[in-house]
Formats: sequence, C-alpha cells, structure tokens
Amino acid sequence: SYELTQPPSVSIYPGQTASIFCSGDKLGDRFVAWYHQKAGQSPALVIYQDSKRPSGIPERFSGSNSGNTATLTISGTQAMDEGSYYCQMWDSSTSPPAWVFGGGTTLTVL
Amino acid sequence: EEELVESGGGLAQPGTSLRLSCTASGFVFGDHAMHWVRQVPGKGLEWVSSITRNSGVTNYADSLRGRLTISRDNAKNSLYLHMRSLRPEDTAFYFCAREGIYRDFNLWGRGTLVTVSS
Repeated sequence: SYELTQPPSVSIYPGQTASIFCSGDKLGDRFVAWYHQKAGQSPALVIYQDSKRPSGIPERFSGSNSGNTATLTISGTQAMDEGSYYCQMWDSSTSPPAWVFGGGTTLTVL
Repeated sequence: EEELVESGGGLAQPGTSLRLSCTASGFVFGDHAMHWVRQVPGKGLEWVSSITRNSGVTNYADSLRGRLTISRDNAKNSLYLHMRSLRPEDTAFYFCAREGIYRDFNLWGRGTLVTVSS
C-alpha cells in the first residue's frame, strides 16, 4: 500500500516561515491535499490540488508538489497556526482505490 | 451553513455491532461522495470507507474490509457506517467527510467517539 511520510514535529517562531514536507513515491504525479487540525477540533482543508486554497484560508498558506515531495508553507506563522497538519492523496493505482493520509506533523509556534 | 453531524458512538463490548450516522445540512447531500475517517485519540487520521453519490460504489480500507458496511439515504441527507465484530483497536473518533472534486475532504463533521471495551 502507498505510504506518505511526514516529520513528526516542526517548531517555529512567530512571523517566521514554516515548511512541512510530505514524501511518497512519485508523489508529484498525484494531487495532494493538506489539513490543519487544532487541538480538540476536527480537521479542516487548507490546501487542495497541490496548491489551491479553499475559500476562507489565509494567503499565508501555500502548497507545492514535485518529484517525491509535497510541501506546505506557512508564511508569517501565527500562534493560531499551531496544531497538527496532515497530507493526503488518492491512490488510484490499487484496486480498489484508497485514500491515504500522512502520519501528521505537529507544528509548535514558540 | 454547511454542516455534518455524526452520532451513534459510545461504549460497546468487543464482538458487538454499532451503527454510526452522519446527518448533512446546508448543501445538496446527493451531489457528493462521502467518507468515514477515524482517529485514535492522540494519533493520526485513517481513511475508513467511501460511498459514491448514488451508492453505486463503496470502498473500504483493507484492514477493515469485511467488518464494515457503508450506506447512505439521500432522501434523509444521511450517511451510515455499520461496524461488526468490534475490537478494542476500533476505539477512535469517527468523522464523516465530504469528498471534493480532487479527491480531498472539504467538509468534516465534529466526530463521534467509539470506545470498545469490556
């Protein structure tokens, strides 16, 4: 089965740029989505189709995907950005297909 | 406002069954494929199951296939997950989620907690 790998944690100071990586075999050939989950809340979509932001998501969130790595970038990180971030893709190479999540990255704003 | 509300969780004995429900509002439920995703408290997200708009195709995670049945009733704006032969490792929050155009999940419910314990 397809696997997505994320670093367990990232720490950043307010105002700095945070980059969260998600790796998988030929991941750049697939669409990747990113979710933010604050403590005690359900996940929320912040990036879809590699780099698109849903309505209401701040411009400081951006995404890219190439080769074996997708990247979520948070520019000018704020305290409200703390929480867990998950990458996700749809694995259509298997039968039946499956939806796959990365293990998650905890972002700490110092 | 678009909303998904799960219900049906609670404490269940190992080996028993449970049916989770998810009620949608604020959007045309029948226009969207729907999913269940679970999360062991303190752990990551795990995709569980999906169903197409007209219930024509259902999919299940390999580790859970055979113990689950996903279904929906578009007239009632409702999604269901019937879980059988429950195990302690099924203890988790169960979220229903709406599928977006690019196979993402663009709307999530708050989740319902299932605890399997004797």
